[in-house]
Amino acid sequence: AQSVSQHNHHVILSEAASLELGCNYSYGGTVNLFWYVQYPGQHLQLLLKYFSGDPLVKGIKGFEAEFIKSKFSFNLRKPSVQWSDTAEYFCAVILNTGFQKLVFGTGTRLLVSP
Amino acid sequence: DAGVIQSPRHEVTEMGQEVTLRCKPISGHNSLFWYRQTMMRGLELLIYFNNNVPIDDSGMPEDRFSAKMPNASFSTLKIQPSEPRDSAVYFCASSLDRGPYNEQFFGPGTRLTVL
Repeated sequence: AQSVSQHNHHVILSEAASLELGCNYSYGGTVNLFWYVQYPGQHLQLLLKYFSGDPLVKGIKGFEAEFIKSKFSFNLRKPSVQWSDTAEYFCAVILNTGFQKLVFGTGTRLLVSP
Repeated sequence: DAGVIQSPRHEVTEMGQEVTLRCKPISGHNSLFWYRQTMMRGLELLIYFNNNVPIDDSGMPEDRFSAKMPNASFSTLKIQPSEPRDSAVYFCASSLDRGPYNEQFFGPGTRLTVL
């Protein structure tokens, strides 16, 4: 079965530190990749997505992610985090089969201390 | 736009009781999804409707769970009878089906606690 792995379950950083959250998926075919963010007490919001083309994708709030096909990875990065980035981050995959089934990773809780 | 609306936001019930969760998708959207979020299993898709028709319910845990979408603006997820292991946050999402991928917009979720 297809799966998405997020290896960091909890990350604690100080403001201005750099962030990288890992995401790996297990599917050999064409995939579409996403990062969602869930701020405390709020619903999931789309942070960025990759369909095709440039493997370096830029999203909202200064986030970016790089798709490395050979490593089946789609890591999320931000050069300098802020306290307001405290949230839970989910990596997700849709298989390019026409069915809109998002498969989510288990999430990474990020705490940014001021 | 009000976004996806879910009710109730919190539900506490006792084992064996029937629980009904409600969702109003974004107006004009024609796909609706029910997800369950737990610490152990993360976010799981339970069922997916397109144009009010259930397309894939393979994620529904068991016969105690049922979902309906009587019209384009309303869906329910029912658990009968409820069990403590059903405690989770249940999210509804909707999208407009118009291409290879259509962004799903999530509601605020219903936090269910079964005692």
